[in-house]
Amino acid sequence: SQQGEEDPQALSIQEGENATMNCSYKTSINNLQWYRQNSGRGLVHLILIRSNEREKHSGRLRVTLDTSKKSSSLLITASRAADTASYFCATDNGNNRLAFGKGNQVVVIP
Amino acid sequence: DAGITQSPRYKITETGRQVTLMCHQTWSHSYMFWYRQDLGHGLRLIYYSAAADITDKGEVPDGYVVSRSKTENFPLTLESATRSQTSVYFCASARGGYGNQPQHFGDGTRLSIL
Repeated sequence: SQQGEEDPQALSIQEGENATMNCSYKTSINNLQWYRQNSGRGLVHLILIRSNEREKHSGRLRVTLDTSKKSSSLLITASRAADTASYFCATDNGNNRLAFGKGNQVVVIP
Repeated sequence: DAGITQSPRYKITETGRQVTLMCHQTWSHSYMFWYRQDLGHGLRLIYYSAAADITDKGEVPDGYVVSRSKTENFPLTLESATRSQTSVYFCASARGGYGNQPQHFGDGTRLSIL
């Protein structure tokens, strides 16, 4: 099944810096979602971007989608220690389910 | 409190035993999902349900059984547990199933099979 693939796999940054992670996928999609997972917890939905959208914002989060390159990026601005988590992209290609990537671990150093 | 709850949070059992993981949601969401999360594999869909009494296989259904007699409950049963089923299991719910709705996850059940 199609899966999103995040890049880089692990990222370590200082508090206050921006964190960017990318997600690539292989086939056409209807929507793409980003989720956060804190250690020992379930995934939490962050943002959904539709295939006809190019950019979306939510608080300190900015998501872009480039369907021609089959890729998306998630930018977290002015990172905080509480942003330490794993981040997953998930793609919807119309088969009634989401396909999740393997995740991208972000560590924000206070 | 409204939300999605999974029980138990931790479970240790032996190979060959039957074990059932419970999932309960209070939103009356139509769709519910079971995933397993393993290092190196990310989240993989085991089964999903579009409504009460409607279930369908996901990516890795072998060795698992589900039922959904009520909208709010979606138990997952391992009929004869194997070591390869050691994993963290997540239940999720959503208003819709076409990927245009956010999924809401429980905090998982960490299952170890000895």
